[in-house]
Amino acid sequence: GQSLEQPSEVTAVEGAIVQINCTYQTSGFYGLSWYQQHDGGAPTFLSYNALDGLEETGRFSSFLSRSDSYGYLLLQELQMKDSASYFCADPHSGGYQKVTFGIGTKLQVIP
Amino acid sequence: TAGITQAPTSQILAAGRSMTLRCTQDMRHNAMYWYRQDLGLGLRLIHYSNTAGTTGKGEVPDGYSVSRANTDDFPLTLASAVPSQTSVYFCATKGGDTGELFFGEGSRLTVL
Repeated sequence: GQSLEQPSEVTAVEGAIVQINCTYQTSGFYGLSWYQQHDGGAPTFLSYNALDGLEETGRFSSFLSRSDSYGYLLLQELQMKDSASYFCADPHSGGYQKVTFGIGTKLQVIP
Repeated sequence: TAGITQAPTSQILAAGRSMTLRCTQDMRHNAMYWYRQDLGLGLRLIHYSNTAGTTGKGEVPDGYSVSRANTDDFPLTLASAVPSQTSVYFCATKGGDTGELFFGEGSRLTVL
């Protein structure tokens, strides 16, 4: 089956850089997605990596290494509003029919 | 644009009662999903539908049923609710090559 592992909690200082890792074990892997969810809200899409390498979108970047079955989300110039949960996901799991999520990493940004 | 609408937003239900959570989209996406979210367990897939007329079981389907009579609607039914079904339920659609999921605002269900 599919499984994605990520740390449950991370704490970082405002203005710093934080990296949230995700390792996966899936069959028929197509790519890795990242989502952000603030407390009480719905998850929102951040990024998708289909190819190895780094994808940058403003302060957020996402990286994928297929050979290592590993990816990460990099958040730069952390702001208090970045405090949220971050989920990695396989958007095409189960023979392209399902979307499987990791358990999520709760990021706390402190002053 | 409405996007994805879920109803109700919140509900308290007595154990043993039935309940249908509604989900409607206006994005014309083929694939739709129901997830439940519980503290420490992330988002777990209950049921999915890749196109109107078809449905499939996810990771935690027991106690739930779905139907997909048309593209826009994907209701989730609890036939006889139990306290372990207390959760936040999210409906989502998938669109585009990236497989991006678009989520509704969620339905908070408490079964007593």
